Amino acid sequence: ETGVTQSPTHLIKTRGQQVTLRCSSQSGHNTVSWYQQALGQGPQFIFQYYREEENGRGNFPPRFSGLQFPNYSSELNVNALELDDSALYLCASRSDLNTGELFFGEGSRLTVL
Amino acid sequence: DAKTTQPPSMDCAEGRAANLPCNHSTISGNEYVYWYRQIHSQGPQYIIHGLKNNETNEMASLIITEDRKSSTLILPHATLRDTAVYYCIVRVANGAQGGSEKLVFGKGTKLTVNP
Repeated sequence: ETGVTQSPTHLIKTRGQQVTLRCSSQSGHNTVSWYQQALGQGPQFIFQYYREEENGRGNFPPRFSGLQFPNYSSELNVNALELDDSALYLCASRSDLNTGELFFGEGSRLTVL
Repeated sequence: DAKTTQPPSMDCAEGRAANLPCNHSTISGNEYVYWYRQIHSQGPQYIIHGLKNNETNEMASLIITEDRKSSTLILPHATLRDTAVYYCIVRVANGAQGGSEKLVFGKGTKLTVNP
């Protein structure tokens, strides 16, 4: 148990639709990051939020966007879904004082048909 | 791209030590070596990290060579629950408040612990 919870755990969408994934970070953690993990691959960094601002982004197009709320929970939004967006989406949180130990949730498995 | 190289798979007998190697020949002086593991259908789990000294915690030991170009993660008494994909990652420690924490994962090593 990492204290990071994600919802939904599984969902199916069709190409062109939009999806919102949610993450509740561990208590006291004000930094949250999102990763995409395709089947058989390691997780790939999407972006990070700190105090409601995006402060780091990986090589993902603008249709991947996020929000962080005052309670440090977070959302990942993906517009105009493509088949290649099918993946496990992982949320990870950390505290200010930590150096590199991220606490990951169990992920949201997205299937795009 | 990941800055580490790991074997794609390894096997270990239950109760024996599992030694997982990692090459990071281009590591910089301010980069740490981190290990995470991912048990099937779960999120990655932090194991241990180090800069140049060997490190040990309740989960594992980390041995870093003197030139820092490679390291070995040691699970001293592997159990069936240690079956997982193990990721070796190098990163610059960023203790600044809200500093960007991008971890670059490779494909890792699939460790199978056999009864």
